Amino acid sequence: GENVEQHPSTLSVQEGDSAVIKCTYSDSASNYFPWYKQELGKRPQLIIDIRSNVGEKKDQRIAVTLNKTAKHFSLHITETQPEDSAVYFCAGSNDYKLSFGAGTTVTVRA
Amino acid sequence: NAGVTQTPKFQVLKTGQSMTLQCAQDMNHEYMSWYRQDPGMGLRLIHYSVGAGITDQGEVPNGYNVSRSTTEDFPLRLLSAAPSQTSVYFCASSYGDSNTEAFFGQGTRLTVV
Repeated sequence: GENVEQHPSTLSVQEGDSAVIKCTYSDSASNYFPWYKQELGKRPQLIIDIRSNVGEKKDQRIAVTLNKTAKHFSLHITETQPEDSAVYFCAGSNDYKLSFGAGTTVTVRA
Repeated sequence: NAGVTQTPKFQVLKTGQSMTLQCAQDMNHEYMSWYRQDPGMGLRLIHYSVGAGITDQGEVPNGYNVSRSTTEDFPLRLLSAAPSQTSVYFCASSYGDSNTEAFFGQGTRLTVV
């Protein structure tokens, strides 16, 4: 099955700086790669996603890139703000199974 | 439109007891799934369903049963609870298959003593 690895496990950034989280996947059949944000004690919520026929997608301060050949994808958050502090999960899907990475705890320092 | 509703929010079980975690969605989504979340391990897929009457195993199915008699409901049954099943459980639903946005319930925190 799919194996999604996520790095780093923790990330501390100064407010206003950028944050980058990287993920790799193993199943070449995976074709959908979402990113979820989970605040403490809350449910995960989708923040951005990308499909295998797209190399890059941007939504305001958040962007994702996908390299199908290398089987890796990344989340970029620019101009970080205190409300960006949360756990972020990458995931890969092959139509029927959505597999998650272990998560990255992002802390934005004021 | 309530989205995905899970009950209960908290539960304590004794080893060997059985129970059912309830999950219901009102978005007419075909695809539903159950995950468990443990520290440092992300969300791991237990079982999933692509529609009423159809279920399949995920990554960690042992010790859990599911059924899908209606589009709206997807209960998760723990047959004989073990301390290793202490976790936070999330139900999710999505339109079509797993290649669209998953909407999560609020989670059930289960402790097995």
